[in-house]
Amino acid sequence: AQTVTQSQPEMSVQEAETVTLSCTYDTSESDYYLFWYKQPPSRQMILVIRQEAYKQQNATENRFSVNFQKAAKSFSLKISDSQLGDAAMYFCAYGRNRDDKIIFGKGTRLHILP
Amino acid sequence: DARVTQTPRHKVTEMGQEVTMRCQPILGHNTVFWYRQTMMQGLELLAYFRNRAPLDDSGMPKDRFSAEMPDATLATLKIQPSEPRDSAVYFCASGLQRTGGRNGYTFGSGTRLTVV
Repeated sequence: AQTVTQSQPEMSVQEAETVTLSCTYDTSESDYYLFWYKQPPSRQMILVIRQEAYKQQNATENRFSVNFQKAAKSFSLKISDSQLGDAAMYFCAYGRNRDDKIIFGKGTRLHILP
Repeated sequence: DARVTQTPRHKVTEMGQEVTMRCQPILGHNTVFWYRQTMMQGLELLAYFRNRAPLDDSGMPKDRFSAEMPDATLATLKIQPSEPRDSAVYFCASGLQRTGGRNGYTFGSGTRLTVV
């Protein structure tokens, strides 16, 4: 069975600094994709970034980038130049391509310190 | 912007009552997910559908929960009878088959259910 593990329940970072959120997953599939979702206090789930497993190049979206280590089954999220609006719960998710089943980690709550 | 619409946004009910949550997926999306979010368990996949047919409902307690898609524009999640431990936020998400990796999935705003 597939699992997604986020080992940091909470993290804090100073505004304008860089922070990295960790995620590991376990799967025997070869065709899958990975996501990071952000959930602010409004509870809306917002897609931050996505990575398809067959792509070696790490995805980037403005201040957000990932470090995808396929052999290690690791998918960390780096947020550069942290802003107050980045404060939220961040969820790592795994999706398998053959049937689109998506499972989530338990989340990391990120605090931004002014 | 296209959005997934969930109703109601909040629901407070008494233990033993039936609860129905509704979801209108984005037009054209053929894959619909139901998730339950609690502090302890995080986001749990309850069930998901493709082209209105259930693909996997193994995460759902079968004795009291049921999920259906009466048509392509409506997904429902019912709890009967409800119990206090069902208190959670229930999310619906939709996407297009086999493009989820490229486009991601769109979530609704969730239904916060409180069973007293």
